Amino acid sequence: GENVEQHPSTLSVQEGDSAVIKCTYSDSASNYFPWYKQELGKRPQLIIDIRSNVGEKKDQRIAVTLNKTAKHFSLHITETQPEDSAVYFCAAPAAGTASKLTFGTGTRLQVTL
Amino acid sequence: NAGVMQNPRHLVRRRGQEARLRCSPMKGHSHVYWYRQLPEEGLKFMVYLQKENIIDESGMPKERFSAEFPKEGPSILRIQQVVRGDSAAYFCASSPGQGKTEAFFGQGTRLTVV
Repeated sequence: GENVEQHPSTLSVQEGDSAVIKCTYSDSASNYFPWYKQELGKRPQLIIDIRSNVGEKKDQRIAVTLNKTAKHFSLHITETQPEDSAVYFCAAPAAGTASKLTFGTGTRLQVTL
Repeated sequence: NAGVMQNPRHLVRRRGQEARLRCSPMKGHSHVYWYRQLPEEGLKFMVYLQKENIIDESGMPKERFSAEFPKEGPSILRIQQVVRGDSAAYFCASSPGQGKTEAFFGQGTRLTVV
């Protein structure tokens, strides 16, 4: 099955700086890579996703890059704000499935003033 | 569109009791997924259902856990004879299927076994 590894487990940045979270996956057939943001006590919320036919996708301050050859994808947050503080999870679908997602172990991002 | 609805939000059960967790998918979504999240951990896949069918239950414990998604009504995750180790947040997600892969989560049910 799919194996997803995520680094770092914790990340502290100053407000206005950039944050980068990296994930690797094992199944070369995976073709969809979502990122979720989870605030304390709340549900995971889909913030951005990328499909295997593109290498980069951007949505305002958030971008995701994908390297299929190396089987890794990254989340980039620029101009971080305190409200970006949360746990971020990457995910990849198991081969042959639509949304049976295997999640990374999460990155706790703390944006300090 | 009310989104994915789960109830109850919080559930307390004594050891040995049964827990029933409900999930109503987003309007137009026919695929439902259940995930379990232990404190300070990530989400672990449990089961994938479509209407009246269990598609993949590879993440379900072999005993005490069952799930259904009837033709009418919400999907139900049922845990019999609960133990303290079942305490966790249980999230339901839905997707439209038909090649569309985006999955949206409900608010979760936080189960506490005392």
